[in-house]
Amino acid sequence: DTGVSQNPRHKITKRGQNVTFRCDPISEHNRLYWYRQTLGQGPEFLTYFQNEAQLEKSRLLSDRFSAERPKGSFSTLEIQRTEQGDSAMYLCASSPSGTGGETQYFGPGTRLLVL
Amino acid sequence: GDSVTQMEGPVTLSEEAFLTINCTYTATGYPSLFWYVQYPGEGLQLLLKATKADDKGSNKGFEATYRKETTSFHLEKGSVQVSDSAVYFCALTRGAQKLVFGQGTRLTINP
Repeated sequence: DTGVSQNPRHKITKRGQNVTFRCDPISEHNRLYWYRQTLGQGPEFLTYFQNEAQLEKSRLLSDRFSAERPKGSFSTLEIQRTEQGDSAMYLCASSPSGTGGETQYFGPGTRLLVL
Repeated sequence: GDSVTQMEGPVTLSEEAFLTINCTYTATGYPSLFWYVQYPGEGLQLLLKATKADDKGSNKGFEATYRKETTSFHLEKGSVQVSDSAVYFCALTRGAQKLVFGQGTRLTINP
């Protein structure tokens, strides 16, 4: 039973470059979430998918951010024209469908550093 | 909007001490409440949860009771170990949507 996986684990990029992260959820989970965590803070919600449909986006998700889950399996998060303020840990989580209270299982995260 | 407030850290205790980490929330309706833990160098793991008022979640000697009257979900453990050193996050969710996290409490246990 594999958990949530994320790639890459670390990414260093220069300001202005584009980056893309991948998340592979637990196979039977329909829901997939993206969060961002900065040093010393709790994770903040970015967006979530039910199968391939993107159902909610945070106002934190500016126009430079886009997320996809094309076949309802893995998901990608792209950041265009990166800024130093984008430096953070990007977390992916998945959960089964249900009526509420389902546990979200987190991946190890992708740490992004924008120079 | 929904929010979670945790006690300020860091918290440093001696082994076998009693632990309480306070957590209060603001939310409409009836959220589900969670404690997640992040050990050094590892990802977030669910520690325990409660989905309705007066429920008690428990795991690995940790407990928390969902108190709707005080909008609280305080984490307790009777006797902590060095291996409990980690960052603890209180969180809530309404329906099946996003988790809203507190800022985290760093716990260090000295032998």
